[in-house]
Amino acid sequence: AQSVTQLGSHVSVSEGALVLLRCNYSSSVPPYLFWYVQYPNQGLQLLLKYTSAATLVKGINGFEAEFKKSETSFHLTKPSAHMRDAAEYFCAVASGGNNRLAFGKGNQVVVIP
Amino acid sequence: DGGITQSPKYLFRKEGQNVTLSCEQNLNHDAMYWYRQDPGQGLRLIYYSQIVNDFQKGDIAEGYSVSREKKESFPLTVTSAQKNPTAFYLCASSIRRQANEQFFGPGTRLTVL
Repeated sequence: AQSVTQLGSHVSVSEGALVLLRCNYSSSVPPYLFWYVQYPNQGLQLLLKYTSAATLVKGINGFEAEFKKSETSFHLTKPSAHMRDAAEYFCAVASGGNNRLAFGKGNQVVVIP
Repeated sequence: DGGITQSPKYLFRKEGQNVTLSCEQNLNHDAMYWYRQDPGQGLRLIYYSQIVNDFQKGDIAEGYSVSREKKESFPLTVTSAQKNPTAFYLCASSIRRQANEQFFGPGTRLTVL
């Protein structure tokens, strides 16, 4: 079964600093990978997705992620954090021929002014 | 505007009562999903449906039931058998094809008193 691991439930970053959120996946077949963002008391919004085209994927709000098969990783980055980036971020994987997504436990990002 | 609606936003019930959460989508998606979100636990799949009149259990289906009589609607009933029903519930939908992202509703926060 597919799964993802996100380490560090809370991540603090200074405004203007690099945002780096780590995601490692486990899948026996080529995966499809997603990053979602959730603002307080709202649903999830798609940031970006990897579907076996380019390994470097650009998303909304200045975020990007790089798929590295050798490391089974799909880390999310943003060069310069903004206060509006304070939210919870989830990595998810789909594989095996169905639509089911397996989500990581999430990273709560706090941006320090 | 196309999207997913969930109602109500906040719901309070007494222990031992069944309660039904509404989810409606006008995106013409075949597949629909219900997730439960608890702090630090990520999203866990309760039930999903890939087509009208068919649905499958997810990872935590005990104490829940669903129906899928119409393509647009996928209501979730939280029964009195669910031991710890207080949580944030998210509904999602997608095109029934692998690698397509799921679109999420705004969620319903259920509190059982």
